[in-house]
Amino acid sequence: DADVTQTPRNRITKTGKRIMLECSQTKGHDRMYWYRQDPGLGLRLIYYSFDVKDINKGEISDGYSVSRQAQAKFSLSLESAIPNQTALYFCATSLAGGETQYFGPGTRLLVL
Amino acid sequence: GIQVEQSPPDLILQEGANSTLRCNFSDSVNNLQWFHQNPWGQLINLFYIPSGTKQNGRLSATTVATERYSLLYISSSQTTDSGVYFCAVGIYNQGGKLIFGQGTELSVKP
Repeated sequence: DADVTQTPRNRITKTGKRIMLECSQTKGHDRMYWYRQDPGLGLRLIYYSFDVKDINKGEISDGYSVSRQAQAKFSLSLESAIPNQTALYFCATSLAGGETQYFGPGTRLLVL
Repeated sequence: GIQVEQSPPDLILQEGANSTLRCNFSDSVNNLQWFHQNPWGQLINLFYIPSGTKQNGRLSATTVATERYSLLYISSSQTTDSGVYFCAVGIYNQGGKLIFGQGTELSVKP
């Protein structure tokens, strides 16, 4: 079984809709991250969480919110989706700040 | 913030050839990882290598932290090596977040 899972794997939605992307991990890591990848580019950080009570904005947090429901779960929400949020979204986990980050399989989101 | 530059941006190889990918970064880092993104978009960890040299099969990586660069070597390339290779760096006091380079797109022809 995969250590980091993301649901859904693919999603098509319309402008203005609220959607949630979910991430679960069985690695027992405290730190979780949400990244976004646009075509032809590297990943950029949206939000990250050190533990259930500690959530921090990344470099591109506008238009997104997150919820850390438990150590193993970290959700990303788009309150009112817009077309330029069309991208590939990755969740990642790590044991600590300087350790290896492990990535989920990604969620492809298309906003029409 | 830290800048991460990868070169070359694109690379086309014949199967069996060797290649070297480079990652330059603008500040001291505590974390450096190499990833392979396959054609289906999946990110695969290759190396966690903030310093030193590591090898895994046909792949090896070297990071010279004092000179702020890392190299990824691919020997005897195979078509399955095709995809995009990313270098990403991080610093402890910035929450451990990774800063990604733009990637090197590798295409290995049979």
